[in-house]
Formats: sequence, structure tokens, C-alpha cells
Amino acid sequence: GENVEQHPSTLSVQEGDSAVIKCTYSDSASNYFPWYKQELGKGPQLIIDIRSNVGEKKDQRIAVTLNKTAKHFSLHITETQPEDSAVYFCAASKVLTGGGNKLTFGTGTQLKVEL
Amino acid sequence: SQTIHQWPATLVQPVGSPLSLECTVEGTSNPNLYWYRQAAGRGLQLLFYSVGIGQISSEVPQNLSASRPQDRQFILSSKKLLLSDSGFYLCAWSRGLNYGYTFGSGTRLTVV
Repeated sequence: GENVEQHPSTLSVQEGDSAVIKCTYSDSASNYFPWYKQELGKGPQLIIDIRSNVGEKKDQRIAVTLNKTAKHFSLHITETQPEDSAVYFCAASKVLTGGGNKLTFGTGTQLKVEL
Repeated sequence: SQTIHQWPATLVQPVGSPLSLECTVEGTSNPNLYWYRQAAGRGLQLLFYSVGIGQISSEVPQNLSASRPQDRQFILSSKKLLLSDSGFYLCAWSRGLNYGYTFGSGTRLTVV
């Protein structure tokens, strides 16, 4: 099955700096890669996603890059703010035999933005 | 707009008691529905998914079961809870292939 590895597990940056989180996946059939932000005690929220026919996508301070050949994708957050502090998950999507798609998640990165 | 409701928010149950967690989606039809469990703030594990009424697929053999009695209702159950069933349970929906999931707010289950 699919295996998604995520690094680093914790990341501490100064406010205003950039943060980068990296993920690799194993199954070349995966073709959709979302990123989620989870605040304490809440469900994960989708913040950005990328499909396999695109190499990069940007939404304000957040960007995601995808290298299909190397099977890795990354989340970039610029001009970090204290409210960016949370756990971030990457995921890779694969079609299920019974229909629908399965997201396999990375193990998460605890991002802390310090003042 | 679409919304997903999950309840209860927290639950403390004794070992051996039954469990029923409910999830409903509004504002869409024929959603794909999912139950995930999250341990220790990390590690989202897919438990069950459903692409239609009465269609349930299990990813991991366990003490739990799922049912979808209506198009936008997904229920997670157990006849007898184990200590190892403790965790944060998340329901999610998606509109189809290559779409992200929208998660509910989760249920924190503690089995004592």
C-alpha cells in the first residue's frame, strides 16, 4: 500500500521567517496531494492541494510543489505568523477499488512560530 | 454550502459498553464518507469508507463497525469497547475522486 513520510516532525521558526515541510510517497498511482492544518482539539482543515498534472501551486503565503519523478512534494509557508502554529499533515490520494479515494497521511509536523 | 456534523464531542465509556458515533453531512448528495482514528495528535488511520447507502468497506480489522443507513449519515459502532479503542475519531466527506476531504470536528473517546 501507499506509504507517506513527512519531515520534520517538529519545526520552530521566528515570526516572519519561512517554513518548509517535506513529504515523500511510495505509490506512483497516487495523483492528488492535499495539505491539512490541524489546531489543538479540532479536525484537520484543508489548506491547499495539488494534482499530479501540476508542478506548483500558490495561495497567498502558502505554496506547494510536486516532483512526480522523485515522488516528493513540499509545503512552503512564507512570512509566518503566530496563527500559523499548528500540526500540518501531508497526504497522498489513491483510487479505491470500491470507488472513492483514500488519503494516506503523513505523520504530521508540529509547527511553532515564535515571536 | 456543505457542512459536516459529528457528535458527541467527548465521550467517556467503560470497557465492554457499546458505542455509537454519528456523522451527518448537509448541502450535498451522494458524498463519499470516511471514518478515521487519530492517536496521540498524529497518525490519521482510515477505518471505514462508504461510497453509497449500505456500502461499507473496512480498511483495518478491529472491534468496530460502520453503517450508512441514509445518504448523508454515517455511524461508527461497537458492541463492546476495549481500552485500545480510545482515541480521536474523525468523520470526513468528499465529493469524489481527487477531491480533498472535509473533516468533522471529531469525537474524543476515552474508554476506562
